[in-house]
Amino acid sequence: DIVMTQTPLSSPVTLGQPASISCRSSQSLVHSDGNTYLSWLQQRPGQPPRLLSYKISNRFSGVPDRFSGSGAGTDFTLKISRVEAEDVGVYYCMQGTQFPHTFGQGTKLEIK
Amino acid sequence: EVQLVESGGGLVQPGGSLRLSCVASGFSFSTYWMSWVRQAPGKGLECVANINQDVSEKRYVDSVKGRFTISRDNAKNSLYLQMNSLRVEDTAVYYCARSGSGSYSYWGQGTLVTVSA
Repeated sequence: DIVMTQTPLSSPVTLGQPASISCRSSQSLVHSDGNTYLSWLQQRPGQPPRLLSYKISNRFSGVPDRFSGSGAGTDFTLKISRVEAEDVGVYYCMQGTQFPHTFGQGTKLEIK
Repeated sequence: EVQLVESGGGLVQPGGSLRLSCVASGFSFSTYWMSWVRQAPGKGLECVANINQDVSEKRYVDSVKGRFTISRDNAKNSLYLQMNSLRVEDTAVYYCARSGSGSYSYWGQGTLVTVSA
């Protein structure tokens, strides 16, 4: 199975400041079809996960443009340009290149 | 509006069985892969099983192979997970999710399965 490793596991951030989460996979996520199936999800307290972005950098419907994904191969990053109070929660990266699809351990974003 | 509504969770003894259901609305159910993802209390996410549009392909994580069966009824816009030989470590919230483009785009609210004596 592909192992997804996120850093940091906890990120205290000041409102209005940027935040960044890294995700590294144990092997390349480039699929034989040429796509890289790396997505990011947000889970607010008491809520189900919500898709933020897919195929590295495609923002999902309704997701604010302060969220952006980047990276390639085995190294990926989610950036939030200016953190808002509603961004509190746990963020997961996920690979959909090889089954079983696997998730990172989660990064808890909290406000300082 | 896309909606996924799970049901069927509950308390069951080790070795017991449960059948989870998920009813979908707001999209063309028969044209999407569908998945079950679980989350143990206070833990991360684990993809349990997924199924393609015409039921010709089913995939399972190793820990549930031979015990869980995923199925769907496109006429009823419904996804199912039959869980047999349940173990304490299967205790989790089980989410139904719409799959596609290597991601999970929509999620239900989840149904809690507790395996305990």
